[in-house]
Amino acid sequence: RKEVEQDPGPFNVPEGATVAFNCTYSNSASQSFFWYRQDCRKEPKLLMSVYSSGNEDGRFTAQLNRASQYISLLIRDSKLSDSATYLCVVNAVVRATDSWGKLQFGAGTQVVVTP
Amino acid sequence: DGGITQSPKYLFRKEGQNVTLSCEQNLNHDAMYWYRQDPGQGLRLIYYSQIVNDFQKGDIAEGYSVSREKKESFPLTVTSAQKNPTAFYLCASRRDGRNTGELFFGEGSRLTVL
Repeated sequence: RKEVEQDPGPFNVPEGATVAFNCTYSNSASQSFFWYRQDCRKEPKLLMSVYSSGNEDGRFTAQLNRASQYISLLIRDSKLSDSATYLCVVNAVVRATDSWGKLQFGAGTQVVVTP
Repeated sequence: DGGITQSPKYLFRKEGQNVTLSCEQNLNHDAMYWYRQDPGQGLRLIYYSQIVNDFQKGDIAEGYSVSREKKESFPLTVTSAQKNPTAFYLCASRRDGRNTGELFFGEGSRLTVL
């Protein structure tokens, strides 16, 4: 089983609609979580950090469910420019004595917003 | 502007040749990473360095080598021992390797072996 799993999609979303997707992680020691956006053939860029209480940034909302070990991303009022691959990143402490975490990447969820 | 610079952006190599990818950052970050991305797969960690003159193997280090002689530089050499080197290579840095902090990426180097 992969340590971080995402539905690869694509999620085809009409412009103006809402889309949501999840990312599951297997390491219960995971301590920090991020969503990155990656455009085709470009580098990933940070979209949001995910806090335990959930957080919102404009049209984007991220939630963390520690009990079920998943994080979610919701995009409201989708724009054409939201078309991208969304990468889930999880940081887990590998050893109790080691504060340096190991970052694990999901393979990404592709979102295609259509006119 | 602070950031990470990777070069070259595109590189073609013949089989059996070594090639070195450059990664420079002026963010004063301690931790630097090299990842490989293949279509349909997540980023896979090749090597990482938490401090100058020290680096650790990642999940797929075979066929690669790195050095960290300066804080701002973390070059990656793809050797002829790497069986399938054609991929998109991403260098990243982070303030430190601890549990918080954004990972900043360079624009990537796309290596094609002919």
